[in-house]
Amino acid sequence: AQSVTQLDSHVSVSEGTPVLLRCNYSSSYSPSLFWYVQHPNKGLQLLLKYTSAATLVKGINGFEAEFKKSETSFHLTKPSAHMSDAAEYFCVVSDVSPTAGGSYIPTFGRGTSLIVHP
Amino acid sequence: NAGVTQTPKFRVLKTGQSMTLLCAQDMNHEYMYWYRQDPGMGLRLIHYSVGEGTTAKGEVPDGYNVSRLKKQNFLLGLESAAPSQTSVYFCATGVNTEAFFGQGTRLTVV
Repeated sequence: AQSVTQLDSHVSVSEGTPVLLRCNYSSSYSPSLFWYVQHPNKGLQLLLKYTSAATLVKGINGFEAEFKKSETSFHLTKPSAHMSDAAEYFCVVSDVSPTAGGSYIPTFGRGTSLIVHP
Repeated sequence: NAGVTQTPKFRVLKTGQSMTLLCAQDMNHEYMYWYRQDPGMGLRLIHYSVGEGTTAKGEVPDGYNVSRLKKQNFLLGLESAAPSQTSVYFCATGVNTEAFFGQGTRLTVV
């Protein structure tokens, strides 16, 4: 069965400093991995996705993530935080699920709240 | 091109009332999903469908029913609402491994 663990429920940074949001996954096959962002009282916006091409994935708003199969990780980074980055971030794994008859079932982590201080 | 549209966006129900949430897509995707979002829990899968006329249970299906009579619509029903069903509900469609989400429905059961 596939699963996602977001290692920090909250991350606090100062504006202009680097951001690191950590995600470990478990999957029996070749997973696709995604990061979504959710601003307060808003919907989900796709930041970036890994689908078995380049292991370093660049997304919107300066975010990037690196797929490391040996570490089963897909950490999200940004060189310099901006106040507008304050939001909830979700790591998602999606793979063929044997228990779901071979269907693709996106599975979410519990989320990491990014707090950005001026 | 609306993508994924959820109706309604907000609703307040009394305990024991019933309601149906509608998800409509114009992306021609086979997969559709219903999730609920609760603080600190991420999004959890309620039910999903892999095509017209099919439905299956997800992680938290109790108290909900679904139907997929047409490919473009996926309905989520609450027969007898309970306060524990207060949540934000998201519908999504899928192609290959990627999901595309609606804007959510905020449901409060009092």
